[in-house]
Amino acid sequence: GESVGLHLPTLSVQEGDNSIINCAYSNSASDYFIWYKQESGKGPQFIIDIRSNMDKRQGQRVTVLLNKTVKHLSLQIAATQPGDSAVYFCAENIQGGKLIFGQGTELSVKP
Amino acid sequence: DSGVTQTPKHLITATGQRVTLRCSPRSGDLSVYWYQQSLDQGLQFLIQYYNGEERAKGNILERFSAQQFPDLHSELNLSSLELGDSALYFCASSVEAARTEAFFGQGTRLTVV
Repeated sequence: GESVGLHLPTLSVQEGDNSIINCAYSNSASDYFIWYKQESGKGPQFIIDIRSNMDKRQGQRVTVLLNKTVKHLSLQIAATQPGDSAVYFCAENIQGGKLIFGQGTELSVKP
Repeated sequence: DSGVTQTPKHLITATGQRVTLRCSPRSGDLSVYWYQQSLDQGLQFLIQYYNGEERAKGNILERFSAQQFPDLHSELNLSSLELGDSALYFCASSVEAARTEAFFGQGTRLTVV
């Protein structure tokens, strides 16, 4: 069936460390993936996206890696800051604009 | 601020009632999406409209319906409300119809009592 799952429901890191959030997707036909960040009481906020013809994409302090062989997606956050504390969702585009979201990983940054 | 406006922010209503949630997309965006976020189901795609036409449909209940108007704003109608419909309802918009970043509004928190 359609599903996008996360390996870790919670992640706690020290300020300044790098964070890695993982995601597994199930639909090999998916050709576009997005990472969103959701802070308490707010709507999801776009972080970075990647198309299936790419393996890696970098943004400001964030990198997304895509491994199509094992259907795995990861989000790397460099020099994690307290403001990065939030729930992170991966999403998979499988039909039109339909995004299938994972369960989310809560990132907690300790000062 | 994403530029997507949702009203109302909070809504409390009784079971069996009908409510309408409204969404104004970002200026220039043609596509509007509706999502439901509950604690046990996560973020669930409901429906997408592109330039007034339904584009994609998720697991939207028959009691729910939506439309996108000529000015591109959208409304989500929820009827015969049940306790289990209590959730956050998000609207998102994007320029393109697919494979593009979508910008989310702040959501409408619906509580059915």
